[in-house]
Amino acid sequence: SQTIHQWPATLVQPVGSPLSLECTVEGTSNPNLYWYRQAAGRGLQLLFYSVGIGQISSEVPQNLSASRPQDRQFILSSKKLLLSDSGFYLCAWGTERPTLHFGNGTRLTVT
Amino acid sequence: KNQVEQSPQSLIILEGKNCTLQCNYTVSPFSNLRWYKQDTGRGPVSLTIMTFSENTKSNGRYTATLDADTKQSSLHITASQLSDSASYICVAYFGDKLIFGTGTRLQVFP
Repeated sequence: SQTIHQWPATLVQPVGSPLSLECTVEGTSNPNLYWYRQAAGRGLQLLFYSVGIGQISSEVPQNLSASRPQDRQFILSSKKLLLSDSGFYLCAWGTERPTLHFGNGTRLTVT
Repeated sequence: KNQVEQSPQSLIILEGKNCTLQCNYTVSPFSNLRWYKQDTGRGPVSLTIMTFSENTKSNGRYTATLDADTKQSSLHITASQLSDSASYICVAYFGDKLIFGTGTRLQVFP
């Protein structure tokens, strides 16, 4: 069966510090991978998606970047965090029939 | 403008009672609609998927309906349990894109 792992679960970082969130998927090959951000009172916002190694599409220009160094690994990064980067970050993988399977998220607080 | 609106924003019910959550969508071309359940601090989990031709679909105590003419969907929860306390998110798919609603936060009290 397929599983998705996302870590860390919570993170508190000062403004201006770097960020690296990691997501890995097991039990499937060449999945579509997604990073979403969920702000309080708002719907999930797609940040990045990837259909293959090294292929990244950005939906919203911002202070973040994503990379896919391996088939089942997806990384969300920032060189310098802003206060507005605080939120709940969700990684997901999807199939051709578009069911999204989410990780348990990372709660990021930028102080 | 493509959008998904859910109501109510929050709902409190007593254990054992029924409730209905609403979702209005405006997307084109409409592909399908899904309901997700999101427990606090966890990622959303798919409950049901509704395609254009489907009117009703059940998953245990959860029943989703879809009216493609009025572009409305509802999620009915029967005999609620404490474990039903969560946010319920409606997601509309159009083409290869999707839009998430802001969710309804349901709290079930004993």
